[in-house]
Amino acid sequence: NAGVTQTPKFRILKIGQSMTLQCTQDMNHNYMYWYRQDPGMGLKLIYYSVGAGITDKGEVPNGYNVSRSTTEDFPLRLELAAPSQTSVYFCASSPRGDWGGYTFGSGTRLTVV
Amino acid sequence: RKEVEQDPGPFNVPEGATVAFNCTYSNSASQSFFWYRQDCRKEPKLLMSVYSSGNEDGRFTAQLNRASQYISLLIRDSKLSDSATYLCVVGGGSQGNLIFGKGTKLSVKP
Repeated sequence: NAGVTQTPKFRILKIGQSMTLQCTQDMNHNYMYWYRQDPGMGLKLIYYSVGAGITDKGEVPNGYNVSRSTTEDFPLRLELAAPSQTSVYFCASSPRGDWGGYTFGSGTRLTVV
Repeated sequence: RKEVEQDPGPFNVPEGATVAFNCTYSNSASQSFFWYRQDCRKEPKLLMSVYSSGNEDGRFTAQLNRASQYISLLIRDSKLSDSATYLCVVGGGSQGNLIFGKGTKLSVKP
């Protein structure tokens, strides 16, 4: 049972480039989330989804976009990368939203130069 | 008041010590509470849920005081392997999500 799988683990982008962070879960969870974690800071919610075809903005959505075409996949798209997007990105899933614990992927360390 | 507030530490303790972490939260309507553990450069992992009656899991005891909006985690007989950052987590975010504190760093020394 793989849980939540994120790829890539590391990436360096140049300013203005775009990329997609992949996230897949095999637990049939309806709820999925993207967080970013900056050094010394708490996790900030970027986007979330309560089921296939349904997505919504979190507290820091600017510069990002998501889609949820299947229950398993929840990719995060960065358009026109900026240095402020240098961070560690975590994808998570949950069977019951904030009533249940989240299972996190191992993260993607992104550096924008 | 910040949504979830924790003492950032670090807490440096010897093996075998008892250490307590505290956390306060701002949303009185929150209904779910957790402690997560995050090792250096790793993802957060669920340590335990926190219930109003208090709960214990081996050397770990969690307490919740709804009136004071206060959560605690007690670790007894600390092990070297307990060294990590402990995140206080509260449900009821504006998007129905979990709100994560910044974490308290624990370092257990031989």
